[in-house]
Parts: sequence; structure tokens; C-alpha cells
Amino acid sequence: GAGVSQSPSNKVTEKGKDVELRCDPISGHTALYWYRQSLGQGLEFLIYFQGNSAPDKSGLPSDRFSAERTGGSVSTLTIQRTQQEDSAVYLCATGGRRVNEQFFGPGTRLTVL
Amino acid sequence: RKEVEQDPGPFNVPEGATVAFNCTYSNSASQSFFWYRQDCRKEPKLLMSVYSSGNEDGRFTAQLNRASQYISLLIRDSKLSDSATYLCVVLISSGSARQLTFGSGTQLTVLP
Repeated sequence: GAGVSQSPSNKVTEKGKDVELRCDPISGHTALYWYRQSLGQGLEFLIYFQGNSAPDKSGLPSDRFSAERTGGSVSTLTIQRTQQEDSAVYLCATGGRRVNEQFFGPGTRLTVL
Repeated sequence: RKEVEQDPGPFNVPEGATVAFNCTYSNSASQSFFWYRQDCRKEPKLLMSVYSSGNEDGRFTAQLNRASQYISLLIRDSKLSDSATYLCVVLISSGSARQLTFGSGTQLTVLP
């Protein structure tokens, strides 16, 4: 597709379960970011991948959160032992060499019951 | 103190009005600045970059004051379709790390 896609679009899970969120970037985009946005709040940076460099994980809120990017393309964000405070929209964005080319996917709305 | 601060609003203005949003950032090492627009329950989209000399794109004018660490967005002749949340965004690059920090957004509603 032409844009960034994310799946699933909605995910409802029970507290304590693990979830995996997927991001398919725009072809050729080397930079990939994960953010989360709680209701009525701004975007919170989680992790950044650039090409084959080590990811910037400085925004991950706890060790329950991890992300990987296979082959410089698809990325998955995994949340282990989900908590209710993890409920948010998780947004993936990708970009070319210039950061102002960053394009967002539609997000995954995660609800932890 | 938040790294990027914005007045959350809401701003409710009539069609045709001029409205201005302000944003301040705390990290003097910030290098690039942007305004994004986010419609309700949608993803953010780049509205415009902000350059030191100020820049204009149609009805939208962005200004940057590095000394005061202040960014502004002016919307002239506002339209109903301008109703959205406007996010002030700051980039800090260090080595290979590039981090965008988003403000919480200013909500605008343009009324008929």
C-alpha cells in the first residue's frame, strides 16, 4: 500500500495477557517510530529504529515493552503482562532521511480490561 | 515541566476569524520544529515545518523565536475544516538518535 498500515486496528485484552502490535512501513522508509497516545493526551515517544543501527529505546516505559524490526521493514511492538494503564492508541510512524517526512499509520487502539 | 508546552484550549472561533496558537519548548538543543494536525480519532499529519525566518503556507503562518524558545502558528480566515487539534513538535538529534517530542495539542473548533 501507499501508506503506513497497522494491525490490528482495535485490540481488547485482559489484564496480564501479552499483546503484539504490527506496523508495516512505507516501502523504502528507513526510520520507524512507535508512539502511544492516551485519551486527550499528546504523543509519547516509545522507540525509534533507523536502518540497521541499534534502536533508541529510551521511551519504553517499562521492561514489559519491547519492539523489533525485522529486515528493516515490518515492526512489532510487544507488551507483556498488560496492565490497565497500557490502554491507549499505539501509533507507528515512518520517515525518510528528513524527519519532517514522517507519516503516521492509523494506530492500534488497545483496551486492557 | 513538560518539554513542549501548549495551551490545551479549547479555542472556539467563528468562521473567518484569525486564531493564534503558542508553544514553548524547554530544551535549547532542539533543532527542528513542526506543527502537526490531528483530527478526532485520526493519526497526526504534518501541517508545516517551522523555519527561523518564519514561513507561510496559504492561510497558515509559523514563527520561531529561538531566544525565547517559542513557536507560534497563526491561522487566518479560519474554515470549518480547520477544526482539529494542533500539535507542536520539536526534534532533538544526537548522533544517530532523532527524537520528536510532541506537545499535548491545542484544540480548535471553528463555528459556523
